[in-house]
Amino acid sequence: RKEVEQDPGPFNVPEGATVAFNCTYSNSASQSFFWYRQDCRKEPKLLMSVYSSGNEDGRFTAQLNRASQYISLLIRDSKLSDSATYLCVVNPKRAGNQFYFGTGTSLTVIP
Amino acid sequence: GAGVSQSPSNKVTEKGKDVELRCDPISGHTALYWYRQSLGQGLEFLIYFQGNSAPDKSGLPSDRFSAERTGGSVSTLTIQRTQQEDSAVYLCASSLVSQTDQPQHFGDGTRLSIL
Repeated sequence: RKEVEQDPGPFNVPEGATVAFNCTYSNSASQSFFWYRQDCRKEPKLLMSVYSSGNEDGRFTAQLNRASQYISLLIRDSKLSDSATYLCVVNPKRAGNQFYFGTGTSLTVIP
Repeated sequence: GAGVSQSPSNKVTEKGKDVELRCDPISGHTALYWYRQSLGQGLEFLIYFQGNSAPDKSGLPSDRFSAERTGGSVSTLTIQRTQQEDSAVYLCASSLVSQTDQPQHFGDGTRLSIL
């Protein structure tokens, strides 16, 4: 079983829509969670960390559900500039500090 | 402040040649990671350095791949006798390990093309 699994999409949504992505992880002891954004032919960039109580940054809300071992990302009022691939990242804090990346969910916001 | 710096940005070489890719992490970051990403694919972990500990080499795809990190800072990823399937973007990232919840910060990557 993969450490991190995401629905690859693609998600095609109209401008202004709300869209949500989920990501599941296999290691119940995982402690650190992040969402990254990757634009075409660019490096991944940190979008936001995911905290146990959930957190919000403008139009973006991240949630963690430890019982079901998934994290989510909600984007409200989608903008054209939100079009990208969103990567779920988990650090299981086993030996070492290796991070596990999902394969990404593709989002296209349509005018 | 300065981010993760990788060089070269692009590298085109002939099959069978050796290549060296360089990564200069963010100052003070003790953890350094190498990944590669083929076109349209996810990130593939290659190797991880943390301080003075032995590196985690579990992701290296073959013995043609090796990496060093000298003085706990700059790292070099070497690919010997390159093959066409080595063509990819090679990404380096660094992070603070001493604190929890510290994310990775990526360089712009080296786009490697094997002819």
